[in-house]
Amino acid sequence: RKEVEQDPGPFNVPEGATVAFNCTYSNSASQSFFWYRQDCRKEPKLLMSVYSSGNEDGRFTAQLNRASQYISLLIRDSKLSDSATYLCVVIVNQGGKLIFGQGTELSVKP
Amino acid sequence: ETGVTQTPRHLVMGMTNKKSLKCEQHLGHNAMYWYKQSAKKPLELMFVYNFKEQTENNSVPSRFSPECPNSSHLFLHLHTLQPEDSALYLCASSQDPAPSGNTIYFGEGSWLTVV
Repeated sequence: RKEVEQDPGPFNVPEGATVAFNCTYSNSASQSFFWYRQDCRKEPKLLMSVYSSGNEDGRFTAQLNRASQYISLLIRDSKLSDSATYLCVVIVNQGGKLIFGQGTELSVKP
Repeated sequence: ETGVTQTPRHLVMGMTNKKSLKCEQHLGHNAMYWYKQSAKKPLELMFVYNFKEQTENNSVPSRFSPECPNSSHLFLHLHTLQPEDSALYLCASSQDPAPSGNTIYFGEGSWLTVV
């Protein structure tokens, strides 16, 4: 089983749609979670951290479900500029390595 | 604008060539990293340097040879690569060698194609 697993997509959605991505992780001891965004042929950039209580940043909402070992990212009112690959990142222990998922590709169409 | 710059951004090389990728960070960080990102695969950590010393080598083939002359510069020397080594090579840096997801900074990457 992969350490961090994501549906690769692509997710093709119209502008204004709401879209959700899930990411599952295998190690129940995982402590820190993040969502990164990677534009085509560019470097990954931090989108948001994921907190136990869930957190929101504008149109983006991240949630953590420890019991089921997954994190989610919800994007409301999708914009064309949201088109990118979204990477899930997990750190197992304080000081441990960043473990990346393969990414979920999102394409927002007019 | 990124605090971590990589050159060249694109490189095409033959299997018998020797080339190098360069990374420079302007953030005053102490740790630097090389990652490999192949198509449709997760980022894979290759090497970690802390205060110029290599602290991690994730079973990377010897045809990849890193060099860290100081805390601001990191090189990846490439020799007799295979077509399957074609990938995006990302350099990153952080203040300490155990970064969190919000304390590591990536360069824009070097796209390598081996022919």
